[in-house]
Amino acid sequence: GAGVSQTPSNKVTEKGKYVELRCDPISGHTALYWYRQSLGQGPEFLIYFQGTGAADDSGLPNDRFFAVRPEGSVSTLKIQRTERGDSAVYLCASRLDPSYNEQFFGPGTRLTVL
Amino acid sequence: AQSVTQPDIHITVSEGASLELRCNYSYGATPYLFWYVQSPGQGLQLLLKYFSGDTLVQGIKGFEAEFKRSQSSFNLRKPSVHWSDAAEYFCAVASSGGSYIPTFGRGTSLIVHP
Repeated sequence: GAGVSQTPSNKVTEKGKYVELRCDPISGHTALYWYRQSLGQGPEFLIYFQGTGAADDSGLPNDRFFAVRPEGSVSTLKIQRTERGDSAVYLCASRLDPSYNEQFFGPGTRLTVL
Repeated sequence: AQSVTQPDIHITVSEGASLELRCNYSYGATPYLFWYVQSPGQGLQLLLKYFSGDTLVQGIKGFEAEFKRSQSSFNLRKPSVHWSDAAEYFCAVASSGGSYIPTFGRGTSLIVHP
């Protein structure tokens, strides 16, 4: 079946602009995660959704970052007033339900802020 | 707070040689432990995981890992490396609560010589 998909695969923007990154989880997966992976580093947790609600947003670095999942499926990560330091690969992962412990990752969106 | 250390940034092996990638973790209780592989431009793929039970865990692609509580380690091994194993490998630890939010190490880059 289809895996986790993320669009766009690449996004180049200018400093100060607003960007939206989209994640389509595996159908039926109730949990969804966003991570940020900087060059030469492992993924860092940003936010976790269980259904429509953000169960844990402790990884969001500041109030320029926001994510939604209005219908409990697709999620959008929104970054306002982008900064060069936001350049990274943004990964999305989904998990079937709270009793299932494996996450499935998408290919990521590479964000470059000029 | 949980943390993961992967002491080797790069590992170079010859094709057919054995492999061991090191991972040390810090976590107060019994951890959930994972190894992921990431090929260029790809998302993370789960190789294997440990939650409880047998401390020697078998994974996909011929990989195995051994959980050693006394050493706080979860090293990844493969008896004979193939050129296609060249990739970035990430060790991760997660809490045993319901969110399964993993903390990743910085990764080890595996280079395979013919």
